[in-house]
Amino acid sequence: DQQVKQNSPSLSVQEGRISILNCDYTNSMFDYFLWYKKYPAEGPTFLISISSIKDKNEDGRFTVFLNKSAKHLSLHIVPSQPGDSAVYFCAASVWGTNAGKSTFGDGTTLTVKP
Amino acid sequence: DTAVSQTPKYLVTQMGNDKSIKCEQNLGHDTMYWYKQDSKKFLKIMFSYNNKELIINETVPNRFSPKSPDKAHLNLHINSLELGDSAVYFCASSLRGAGANVLTFGAGSRLTVL
Repeated sequence: DQQVKQNSPSLSVQEGRISILNCDYTNSMFDYFLWYKKYPAEGPTFLISISSIKDKNEDGRFTVFLNKSAKHLSLHIVPSQPGDSAVYFCAASVWGTNAGKSTFGDGTTLTVKP
Repeated sequence: DTAVSQTPKYLVTQMGNDKSIKCEQNLGHDTMYWYKQDSKKFLKIMFSYNNKELIINETVPNRFSPKSPDKAHLNLHINSLELGDSAVYFCASSLRGAGANVLTFGAGSRLTVL
């Protein structure tokens, strides 16, 4: 049962343009969502998160949007830079006990072309 | 200074052998985890320890045994290795309370069972 899905395995954008990565979830219990970025041969690193009490969270070039009714979140990167090329994982969790137990999507590989 | 370090980074072994992966974190986090990334790229939680106490034990074969000698270390021992155990194993840690949802990952240990 795949509770978190990233339906686009890959995305290619031009440097300076916007990158939009999407994620859908099915479990209504999830109330905290995170995006991680992963370079080859490294572990995922935390990028940005959002609580279900918000519908938007922004950090520099990165913005995460949450649509609870649609059980959908997206990560916007603007402007995209070549260094953003990596695999992006969406993760969902439940705030509180065992908060670190996250359910991950299978990732979207972003390529930003110079 | 590496925040979460795992050894070995690569491990190639024969079916039926027993092997261990070690993990250490110097972040002062209370909780540590083992996640497994399989061939389909999903990251799935296996175990979680909080201050040496097992708090999450997903449906993992009992050939896998985690051990936490102190809150900075979490090791994973695997008995009677099978082909299906081939994967990348990530150690992670997090704080308790606010921030508990955010995981800091190690670089991963790629296990190949022949």
